[in-house]
Amino acid sequence: AQSVAQPEDQVNVAEGNPLTVKCTYSVSGNPYLFWYVQYPNRGLQFLLKYITGDNLVKGSYGFEAEFNKSQTSFHLKKPSALVSDSALYFCAVSDYKLSFGAGTTVTVRA
Amino acid sequence: EAQVTQNPRYLITVTGKKLTVTCSQNMNHEYMSWYRQDPGLGLRQIYYSMNVEVTDKGDVPEGYKVSRKEKRNFPLILESPSPNQTSLYFCASSARGTGLEAFFGQGTRLTVV
Repeated sequence: AQSVAQPEDQVNVAEGNPLTVKCTYSVSGNPYLFWYVQYPNRGLQFLLKYITGDNLVKGSYGFEAEFNKSQTSFHLKKPSALVSDSALYFCAVSDYKLSFGAGTTVTVRA
Repeated sequence: EAQVTQNPRYLITVTGKKLTVTCSQNMNHEYMSWYRQDPGLGLRQIYYSMNVEVTDKGDVPEGYKVSRKEKRNFPLILESPSPNQTSLYFCASSARGTGLEAFFGQGTRLTVV
């Protein structure tokens, strides 16, 4: 069975500071990992994915994620957060279907 | 524009009154699915479809039905809604194959009283 865990319900950072949203996964075989973002009253939007290759994946809106096989982690990062990054972030793993974590609410204060 | 369209966006209904939430995609995707989102639980898959006339249960299928008569449409049916089905529902589609990102509709907020 596949699963992901997002250990933090909330992350609060000041604008301009680095942002990290944590995710760990469990899957048999090669993992396909995703990050999605949900803004208020909107559907989920794809940010980035890891399939294979370089462990540092770059995505939309300046986000990147680091895949670490030994730690089974796929943390989302942004070097300098913006107030507009405030949203709900979901990590997901895909085998034959997508399985989502519980989500992390990010609040970036001005 | 590539999109997944759900209707209605908001719905308040009474216990036991059958309802259908429609979902349509214009990307010719084979794979479609329905999720419900509840606080602290993330998104849980209700049903999915690998192609026309092929559907299967997800993680929380009880109380729901689906059909896939056409490739673009994947309606979610609640035959007898109950208050525990009050939730935010999302339809998603993707092309066939693992590792391909899903496209989501804007969601349907359902309240059953």
